[in-house]
Amino acid sequence: ELKVEQNPLFLSMQEGKNYTIYCNYSTTSDRLYWYRQDPGKSLESLFVLLSNGAVKQEGRLMASLDTKARLSTLHITAAVHDLSATYFCAVDMSMNRDDKIIFGKGTRLHILP
Amino acid sequence: NAGVTQTPKFRILKIGQSMTLQCTQDMNHNYMYWYRQDPGMGLKLIYYSVGAGITDKGEVPNGYNVSRSTTEDFPLRLELAAPSQTSVYFCASRLTGVNTEAFFGQGTRLTVV
Repeated sequence: ELKVEQNPLFLSMQEGKNYTIYCNYSTTSDRLYWYRQDPGKSLESLFVLLSNGAVKQEGRLMASLDTKARLSTLHITAAVHDLSATYFCAVDMSMNRDDKIIFGKGTRLHILP
Repeated sequence: NAGVTQTPKFRILKIGQSMTLQCTQDMNHNYMYWYRQDPGMGLKLIYYSVGAGITDKGEVPNGYNVSRSTTEDFPLRLELAAPSQTSVYFCASRLTGVNTEAFFGQGTRLTVV
């Protein structure tokens, strides 16, 4: 059974600081997704990571994937209040001949002005 | 394109009642998913479908049923509602053969009392 673990689960940080959210998973996969969810809203796709060493950047967010370590990171540079949200990683099981997408518990990010 | 549309947006059920959560997508996606999200938690996969006539269980299928008679529609049925099914339900779809992420509907907030 695939386990997807994010840490931290909650993060409160000051504007202007840098921080990294980690996503570890327990089985082979070469596809991983990052989503953002604002309170009371649906999930918005941020990044699609499709191979080992993949790196994607959008504004102050950068995501990477290390399939050998079964680890993805979401790095926040010089955080701003607008980035306050819950961030989820999700692992695609297709490499295991499985069609599921399994989510982590999410990281609730609160950026203090 | 409307994307993924879920109805209703909100619903209150009494214990033992049944209902169907509707999900339709107009993107001609072959894969569709149902997730539930409990307060402060991540998303748990209930059922998924890789095409019309094909469905499979996810992580938490007990108490739910699905059908997929068309590419567009993937309804989720609760037969005997229980308080433990109080949650926000999200439907998602994606296209395989192309490396894309899943796109989510706006969610249905269900309360069982």
